[in-house]
Parts: sequence; C-alpha cells; structure tokens
Amino acid sequence: QSVLTQPPSVSAAPGQKVTISCSGSSSNIGNNYVSWYQQLPGTAPKLLIFDSNKRPSGIPDRFSGSKSGTSATLGITGLQTGDEADYYCGTWDGGLSDAYVFGTGTKVTVL
Amino acid sequence: QLKLQESGPGLVKSSETLSLTCTVSGGSMSSSSHYWGWVRQPPGKGPEWIGSISNSGSTYQNPSLKSRVTISIDTSKIQFSLRLNSITAADTAIYYCARGYYDLLTGYPKNFDQWGQGTLVTVSS
Repeated sequence: QSVLTQPPSVSAAPGQKVTISCSGSSSNIGNNYVSWYQQLPGTAPKLLIFDSNKRPSGIPDRFSGSKSGTSATLGITGLQTGDEADYYCGTWDGGLSDAYVFGTGTKVTVL
Repeated sequence: QLKLQESGPGLVKSSETLSLTCTVSGGSMSSSSHYWGWVRQPPGKGPEWIGSISNSGSTYQNPSLKSRVTISIDTSKIQFSLRLNSITAADTAIYYCARGYYDLLTGYPKNFDQWGQGTLVTVSS
C-alpha cells in the first residue's frame, strides 16, 4: 500500500482536459520534489514532470505539474488517444519509509 | 542518446539469489549529479523502488528489501548491478534499471529520467 494516493482512473474525450491528483503527507510531498511518470502498455515508465512542475526536453506543454502543500497534480490538456496510459507520481519519503515511493497509479482512458 | 540495458536470468529458483546487471551506453557514469537505480514492477501492479547508488558508491535502499539487496557500481565498465537474496514468488516482476537525479539539498534520489526496457524475472519453485 503506497503512501501516495491517486485516483484509480480518470477519463475524458479527445481534446478535453484531465487532472490527476497525488495525495501524500509532510514526510513526502510536503518536503520533497514530485515527479510524474507515464507508462504506456508494455513499456517502461517515462519521466513527464520533474521538480514538481518542470518538463524534460521533448515533453509537450500539454502536460503540466503543480504542488500545493502535501498534494500534487498532473494536468493533461488537449487529450489524445496516445495519452491512454498509466500515470504515477513519485517522490522521496523521509518518514517511516525512508524510500523513494511511487503513487498508486491512475489509468487514463480517452473516450 | 543514453541507453540502459538490463541483463540476467529470466528464471530463478526460489530461495536462490537474483543477479542483474545494467549496462550503460551512449554516455558516461561519471557525473556526480546522478544516481543509478533499480525499480521493479510485479505483473499488473505499480512500480516499487529497490535502491539507488551514486558513482562514488553511496547507496540508498528500500527498507522493505534492504536486508536482501546489494547494489554495486563499476564505472570503468559502465555498469551497475543488483543482487537480491533469498528470493520468493513475491519477487516475480519486471526489473528496470534507471538513471536519476538527486536533490542537491537533501542528497536523496528525486526522479528517474532514463530507463532501461526492463527484464521479466520469474521465480520458480
């Protein structure tokens, strides 16, 4: 059971916007950078957002990240069929875990 | 373009030791900004961090696996390795090696920006 909680699934029509929440605590999100990963079926996770709100080179600006307190959010605008994937947040947890932790994961479905 | 490639047995017997190696190509392991790590993902489940190592050999390991895990690095061979002892069926997973950055303030790993394709390890009885 992860210390970072995400909704199991979100869905929207092509061109629409979705947001994915990642809820944690002061021992993880509250005091550390958050990253977001996209995992297409059968592939390795891919870094989408780092340092809570920065995009690596090559990641379109349709993807955005934000953090407030002990929660983080990933936004995807202009949803495309190719965005259907599992999305995970990740951060360091300095509490009981003292480990890098991933969120429970969210399946994005394009209707 | 940096590439990471995992290698090792796809089938390991229960109670034995799993050994995997990650070979890095298209770049070096010399930067002090990076950590080199292992992440695993059981079928149908989310990723689980195993541990990370810097090019100087400093390591962080998941407390839930720490007693069974050894991570080492050989920058001259541009490789780093994972050993997991006393494996059980619960260790069946896709194992990924990955490069990441650490937080300059805390020293902790903060992300994984380059990943290998992963290798499926099945534990047999």
